[in-house]
Amino acid sequence: DADVTQTPRNRITKTGKRIMLECSQTKGHDRMYWYRQDPGLGLRLIYYSFDVKDINKGEISDGYSVSRQAQAKFSLSLESAIPNQTALYFCATGTGGAGNQPQHFGDGTRLSIL
Amino acid sequence: GIQVEQSPPDLILQEGANSTLRCNFSDSVNNLQWFHQNPWGQLINLFYIPSGTKQNGRLSATTVATERYSLLYISSSQTTDSGVYFCAVGRGSGNTGKLIFGQGTTLQVKP
Repeated sequence: DADVTQTPRNRITKTGKRIMLECSQTKGHDRMYWYRQDPGLGLRLIYYSFDVKDINKGEISDGYSVSRQAQAKFSLSLESAIPNQTALYFCATGTGGAGNQPQHFGDGTRLSIL
Repeated sequence: GIQVEQSPPDLILQEGANSTLRCNFSDSVNNLQWFHQNPWGQLINLFYIPSGTKQNGRLSATTVATERYSLLYISSSQTTDSGVYFCAVGRGSGNTGKLIFGQGTTLQVKP
């Protein structure tokens, strides 16, 4: 089984719909991240969480919300989807501590908003 | 914030050729990772290399933190090496762990 699992893998929906993307991890990491990738570009950070009670905005959080239901689960919601939110979304996990450690990424969710 | 620049943006190789991809960053970092994004969109973690040199098969990477750059070497390239290569860096300030990605190098290896 994958260490970082994203569901769904693909989703097509209509403008104005509410969408939830889910991420779960088995690595036991305290930190979780949501990134967005637009075609031809690198990833940009949407939200990140250090633990269940610590959630922070990234550089492009407008139009998104998140929920950290448990240490292992971190969900991303689009309350009212719009076409320019069509992108590839990645969840990642990492550890804290004295030094940075590598982040581990899920396989991505390809979201299309018509 | 930190700027991350990758070069070249595009690269076309004949199978069997060697290549070097470069990542420049504008400030000190304590996290640097190289990723390969395959045609299915999956991000494969190649190296965690905030400093020093590492090798994994035909791939190796070197980061010179004091000069703010990292290099990814691909030797004897294969068609399966095609895809986009990303460099991502993180800073220790606040120890948030968040990564800042470069724009990527798109590699095409022709048979």
